[in-house]
Amino acid sequence: QVQLQESGPGLVKPSETLSLTCSVSGGPVSSSGHYWGWIRQPPGKGLEWIGSIYYSGNTYSTPSLKSRVTISADTSNNQFSLHLNSVTAADTAVYYCASHQWELDAFDIWGQGTMVTVSS
Amino acid sequence: EIVLTQSPGTLSLSPGERATLSCRASQSVSNSYLAWYQQSPGRAPRLLMFGASTRATGIPDRFSGSGSGTDFTLTISRLEPEDFAVYYCQQYGSSPATFGQGTKVEIK
Repeated sequence: QVQLQESGPGLVKPSETLSLTCSVSGGPVSSSGHYWGWIRQPPGKGLEWIGSIYYSGNTYSTPSLKSRVTISADTSNNQFSLHLNSVTAADTAVYYCASHQWELDAFDIWGQGTMVTVSS
Repeated sequence: EIVLTQSPGTLSLSPGERATLSCRASQSVSNSYLAWYQQSPGRAPRLLMFGASTRATGIPDRFSGSGSGTDFTLTISRLEPEDFAVYYCQQYGSSPATFGQGTKVEIK
């Protein structure tokens, strides 16, 4: 059974880049049977899909964040990463990594989430 | 993008009662690609239903989903103590995937 675990700084300064890593266990990130995605949840609010990556390297992201988002995979370390640049306080949220089996699909496996605060 | 509106915002019920949660889409959801998630405080969301009416692995049969097009429903037939949580719907029929704002099921 695939398990996911997020890691990264809990505090990022405004205008800097938020960088998170999701470590994958129980299966290879290079598996053709999974897409790997990022979802965030501002405090007290709902969920927002950020973007996803397939083992082929194809990436997809929500239009509102597309210009600031980079998602990449590191097959040697079996992990994938999120980079969100030019952050503001509005990017403060719990960030989850999650997996889905098709490009358009429900998210069936989630990490526990990591809180990221944008503040000087 | 498709906007999902969930109602009610909060549902106050007692254990053993039936819960009916609604999710309405701003346009038709392709292939009924609609999922439901449960989120307990401080926890990650858990997938309950996909394809509008298919239970995810390990989800008890007191949870059921229905609907098509723009109107979807999640029903919990008899609420157990662990069912008091926030529930989100998500459409994945078109990109970007979007979520509703959530319905909180609280103990009356």
